[in-house]
Amino acid sequence: EAQVTQNPRYLITVTGKKLTVTCSQNMNHEYMSWYRQDPGLGLRQIYYSMNVEVTDKGDVPEGYKVSRKEKRNFPLILESPSPNQTSLYFCASSSTSGNTGELFFGEGSRLTVL
Amino acid sequence: GEDVEQSLFLSVREGDSSVINCTYTDSSSTYLYWYKQEPGAGLQLLTYIFSNMDMKQDQRLTVLLNKKDKHLSLRIADTQTGDSAIYFCAESRYNFNKFYFGSGTKLNVKP
Repeated sequence: EAQVTQNPRYLITVTGKKLTVTCSQNMNHEYMSWYRQDPGLGLRQIYYSMNVEVTDKGDVPEGYKVSRKEKRNFPLILESPSPNQTSLYFCASSSTSGNTGELFFGEGSRLTVL
Repeated sequence: GEDVEQSLFLSVREGDSSVINCTYTDSSSTYLYWYKQEPGAGLQLLTYIFSNMDMKQDQRLTVLLNKKDKHLSLRIADTQTGDSAIYFCAESRYNFNKFYFGSGTKLNVKP
């Protein structure tokens, strides 16, 4: 089954404790991206990657890092989480060939930073 | 974000038509999308429209695009309780590198 898998789905952590949210897709998509969803603000793009070793900032990259060492994986790293990073995070992927830009989303990771 | 705007709530009765509206600001956007988010799930693409089209119909869904006014709408005919969800309007820019989403419209369908 074609899917985007995120882990963990739920996490409560404390300020300053480094964490990684993993994202993996099995559709051989070149493009992957991370979003955060906050009430009244919709989804805002954090980082995106056009292919292996190619990443770029979205609109809200502060406090986050990413890496793209393999095509299928695109982890989101919070080096020193703060309470304003409490949010619902989505990973998405897309094919860049024959493109309509359709994004395939994971089920989301709800992060609470105390 | 980035000036894609939607109203937050819409309530309709089962069997009626629903119309969800969206405005955007970037006239260079190539594709515009409607995504559906059900509770506890990620977003799923419902439909999309290329920027040189005025209308697209897909079964119960009709998308209208007014490029002059930068206005996009989604009409759902014969709305069912299973259509209750949050609907996001989105646009792509910079050759599909960046996507901008509205804040989402929560559709409540009353039996």
